[in-house]
Amino acid sequence: AQKVTQAQTEISVVEKEDVTLDCVYETRDTTYYLFWYKQPPSGELVFLIRRNSFDEQNEISGRYSWNFQKSTSSFNFTITASQVVDSAVYFCALSGMSLKTSYDKVIFGPGTSLSVIP
Amino acid sequence: NAGVTQTPKFQVLKTGQSMTLQCAQDMNHEYMSWYRQDPGMGLRLIHYSVGAGITDQGEVPNGYNVSRSTTEDFPLRLLSAAPSQTSVYFCASSYQVIQGATDTQYFGPGTRLTVL
Repeated sequence: AQKVTQAQTEISVVEKEDVTLDCVYETRDTTYYLFWYKQPPSGELVFLIRRNSFDEQNEISGRYSWNFQKSTSSFNFTITASQVVDSAVYFCALSGMSLKTSYDKVIFGPGTSLSVIP
Repeated sequence: NAGVTQTPKFQVLKTGQSMTLQCAQDMNHEYMSWYRQDPGMGLRLIHYSVGAGITDQGEVPNGYNVSRSTTEDFPLRLLSAAPSQTSVYFCASSYQVIQGATDTQYFGPGTRLTVL
């Protein structure tokens, strides 16, 4: 079965600190995608990054970076020099094939609420 | 493009009432899905569809029905509302990706439903 775990329920950091959000996933699929989404206090869901299972290259985009490791089934997200505007709930998600129907579906983790304190 | 639209934005129901949450997208996406978001539970998949005429259950399908008669629309029906269905509902759509996985999902603004 597919599963996404985000063990950190809430994190608080002081502005300008670095923070890493953890994501661990379970899947039997050989082809799958991993995602990170952000949900600011306004409530909308904002796509941040997508990574496929064949690409373990880490990625940096401005203050954001992602560390994908298949060996540990982890896809962690780091914010460098955090800012107050980074305060949001961050969701990790996994897309893969349903064994029952062969249709794929996307499963989300429970989310990590990040508070950046000025 | 309007993207993914959802109506209504807010709704209050009494226990036992039925209603339909509307979702539409104008991006010609094959894949559409419904999630509910509850505090501490994240987003849980209710139903999804990989194309017109094809739907499947997600993690929490009980009490909900869906149909997909067109590519654009994917309504979610609450058959007999219960207080446990009080939640924020999100609709999402994306392109299907060959050989398995779903592409990046675009989300609607959400519907906040309260069942008394």
